Amino acid sequence: GESVGLHLPTLSVQEGDNSIINCAYSNSASDYFIWYKQESGKGPQFIIDIRSNMDKRQGQRVTVLLNKTVKHLSLQIAATQPGDSAVYFCAENMFNNNDMRFGAGTRLTVKP
Amino acid sequence: ETGVTQTPRHLVMGMTNKKSLKCEQHLGHNAMYWYKQSAKKPLELMFVYNFKEQTENNSVPSRFSPECPNSSHLFLHLHTLQPEDSALYLCASSQDPVRGTFYEQYFGPGTRLTVT
Repeated sequence: GESVGLHLPTLSVQEGDNSIINCAYSNSASDYFIWYKQESGKGPQFIIDIRSNMDKRQGQRVTVLLNKTVKHLSLQIAATQPGDSAVYFCAENMFNNNDMRFGAGTRLTVKP
Repeated sequence: ETGVTQTPRHLVMGMTNKKSLKCEQHLGHNAMYWYKQSAKKPLELMFVYNFKEQTENNSVPSRFSPECPNSSHLFLHLHTLQPEDSALYLCASSQDPVRGTFYEQYFGPGTRLTVT
């Protein structure tokens, strides 16, 4: 069936470097994509979203890129900080649909 | 704080017990969700409620029974669970997507459930 998956289960970066977390999706009908961050002992927290009619969206220190041609989503974190250490999930869903599908998650570790 | 609270935060129960998980949202949302998060597995959607009506049940075993008395509260009643049901159970809420807007889901901290 259609699913959302992550390329890398773990990512380790040096503090101050930029991080890139990737996600592949297979449902070409998906309209909406979200990145969530989950710290230990907490629920997922919204970071940034993007609609399918866009290919880039920027937030504070984060940028999401969407490549619909290859069904690829990425999250870029600038100047990664220790507080960015967490598991990052991508999620997809379709317009007017409650069913949000999540990827497996990537664990980001920031080394001081 | 996300505006979604869950109690208890930790629960240990035997396979013959009956317990309930509670979720409350203070965001004025009309949609609420239960998810299961197991180790090394993606978040699994279990149930969806829109305006107190259940709109989705993702083939969840009947030993899990949801209840949504109003748009702010959601319960998950548990009975005769199995050890493989041990997981983090997350509640979320969102605006009602039927209105035609994209939305994000706001998650609670979860209940860590251990079935012995």
